[in-house]
Amino acid sequence: DVKVTQSSRYLVKRTGEKVFLECVQDMDHENMFWYRQDPGLGLRLIYFSYDVKMKEKGDIPEGYSVSREKKERFSLILESASTNQTSMYLCASSLHYDSTFGSGTRLTVV
Amino acid sequence: AQSVSQHNHHVILSEAASLELGCNYSYGGTVNLFWYVQYPGQHLQLLLKYFSGDPLVKGIKGFEAEFIKSKFSFNLRKPSVQWSDTAEYFCAVSHGYNKLIFGAGTRLAVHP
Repeated sequence: DVKVTQSSRYLVKRTGEKVFLECVQDMDHENMFWYRQDPGLGLRLIYFSYDVKMKEKGDIPEGYSVSREKKERFSLILESASTNQTSMYLCASSLHYDSTFGSGTRLTVV
Repeated sequence: AQSVSQHNHHVILSEAASLELGCNYSYGGTVNLFWYVQYPGQHLQLLLKYFSGDPLVKGIKGFEAEFIKSKFSFNLRKPSVQWSDTAEYFCAVSHGYNKLIFGAGTRLAVHP
């Protein structure tokens, strides 16, 4: 089975900090995604990448950037964390149509 | 823009009751359709998916969904729910690079 690993389960950061969320997948998938999950809003796509060094904006990219230097790793960066970025962040990867999700990182910005 | 609507945000059922969760999507072209489930404290898991062929799709744990193209719907059903089905259920649509567009989710609580 594909495994998608997110480095932190819980994070607490201060407003204005630069935050890195890391995601690693172990099945050589081309596509990787970052979503945020908020109650009543479902999951919303922040950024995705279909190849190394390639990235595309999703529906809510403002305040975020990403990095994909290696195929297996996709990082989400909050340049200057704000309280409205408190959320659950989910990473996913896919080869064709099925996406496999990581366990999520619950980020609290105080 | 594509959107996915899930009609029920909260559903409460007793064990053995039948379940139907509604899902409608807005995209008119070829789409792939999914239902994901998130059990309390666990990661998102795929319940079932539709790409083409038989519009009645069977998934894991006794769930099934029916794709009705004319209604842009992909409703999830289970004839008899169990307490262990308590979870949040998400309908999703994808096209191109498998970007998933999710509905807002439905929280299902099953009482013994």
